[in-house]
Amino acid sequence: EAQVTQNPRYLITVTGKKLTVTCSQNMNHEYMSWYRQDPGLGLRQIYYSMNVEVTDKGDVPEGYKVSRKEKRNFPLILESPSPNQTSLYFCASTGSAGELFFGEGSRLTVL
Amino acid sequence: AQSVTQPDIHITVSEGASLELRCNYSYGATPYLFWYVQSPGQGLQLLLKYFSGDTLVQGIKGFEAEFKRSQSSFNLRKPSVHWSDAAEYFCAVLTEGNAGNMLTFGGGTRLMVKP
Repeated sequence: EAQVTQNPRYLITVTGKKLTVTCSQNMNHEYMSWYRQDPGLGLRQIYYSMNVEVTDKGDVPEGYKVSRKEKRNFPLILESPSPNQTSLYFCASTGSAGELFFGEGSRLTVL
Repeated sequence: AQSVTQPDIHITVSEGASLELRCNYSYGATPYLFWYVQSPGQGLQLLLKYFSGDTLVQGIKGFEAEFKRSQSSFNLRKPSVHWSDAAEYFCAVLTEGNAGNMLTFGGGTRLMVKP
């Protein structure tokens, strides 16, 4: 089954404690991206990757890092999380027709 | 820069009634347009997309959308709403030739369905 898998689905952490949200897709897509979803703001792109070892900033990259060492994986790293990064995060990979396939989301709370 | 506006934050309709969710975009060239649906606690699912050709596109779950270039709109419609359609709906625009990494979303419209 074609899917995008994120982990963890839910996480509560404290300010400054590094965390990583993993994302994996099994569709051999080259393009992957991370979004955060906040009430009234829709989805905003954090980072995207056009292929292995090729990443670039989206609209709201501050406080985040990503890596793309393999085509299937695109982890999101918060080196020093802050409360304003409390949000719902979605990983997505892009199909050949431009449509996005989303993971189920990771709800992060930073205390 | 492209932008997407969904003027209605919340909409409530009765089951069986017709539905129209509004979406307006701002983009200089021909847009690629999408509607996604997000059920509570779930990720986003693609309902339909418009790339070119017929301006009335059919999607899953009985939804359709019409692209109107003169109005910069891509409104989503359904003739008869079911209780299971209660969800949040997002319109999105993709810049031409950019396979996914410049997708811009509207703020979303939350649909509630009355019995």
